[in-house]
Amino acid sequence: DAGITQSPRHKVTETGTPVTLRCHQTENHRYMYWYRQDPGHGLRLIHYSYGVKDTDKGEVSDGYSVSRSKTEDFLLTLESATSSQTSVYFCAISESDRGNQPQHFGDGTRLSIL
Amino acid sequence: GNSVTQMEGPVTLSEEAFLTINCTYTATGYPSLFWYVQYPGEGLQLLLKATKADDKGSNKGFEATYRKETTSFHLEKGSVQVSDSAVYFCALAGGTSYGKLTFGQGTILTVHP
Repeated sequence: DAGITQSPRHKVTETGTPVTLRCHQTENHRYMYWYRQDPGHGLRLIHYSYGVKDTDKGEVSDGYSVSRSKTEDFLLTLESATSSQTSVYFCAISESDRGNQPQHFGDGTRLSIL
Repeated sequence: GNSVTQMEGPVTLSEEAFLTINCTYTATGYPSLFWYVQYPGEGLQLLLKATKADDKGSNKGFEATYRKETTSFHLEKGSVQVSDSAVYFCALAGGTSYGKLTFGQGTILTVHP
């Protein structure tokens, strides 16, 4: 299994509070991704990174920010959480951005915003 | 832009039945196609992939063939087991989206003894 650790695994918080999710990898892969999983939508890309300090927006980036100060860590921040951000969040990594290379996923963080 | 459409679920089968989960796609260029599987409480695992037209991906008894003429990548298994119960996602990457994955909505499969 790819060495990907997401933390926390579960979190419950209140509307308006800031939340940071962490993805840590031990594979030294250059590319990292954050997705959210919601019923009926599959997984949708929030943000991705193609190197240290290099990030870009995905399909559903509003209300989220990311940072990558080290190769191994990719942080996802909800500056002011809303109930619509209740979801399961997955981090993924890959060796390259060539489309034929698969991504490897962490076990997810279940986030509930009350 | 890219999109993936999977058959509606959930799918319920008896053990040893034949499985088909349909997947069609829209994409520019020549994407790579993937099937991922998600077991309860876990992340997604790559099940199989195909990177060019007419390629067949296979793993653990599952197969899917990249059909460019019908823009499809249907997942099949000849005899399912209870342990195959999971959520299955079709996805594509490549073309103008490079390595970013576009997922279908997922199909829940339940196999009864």
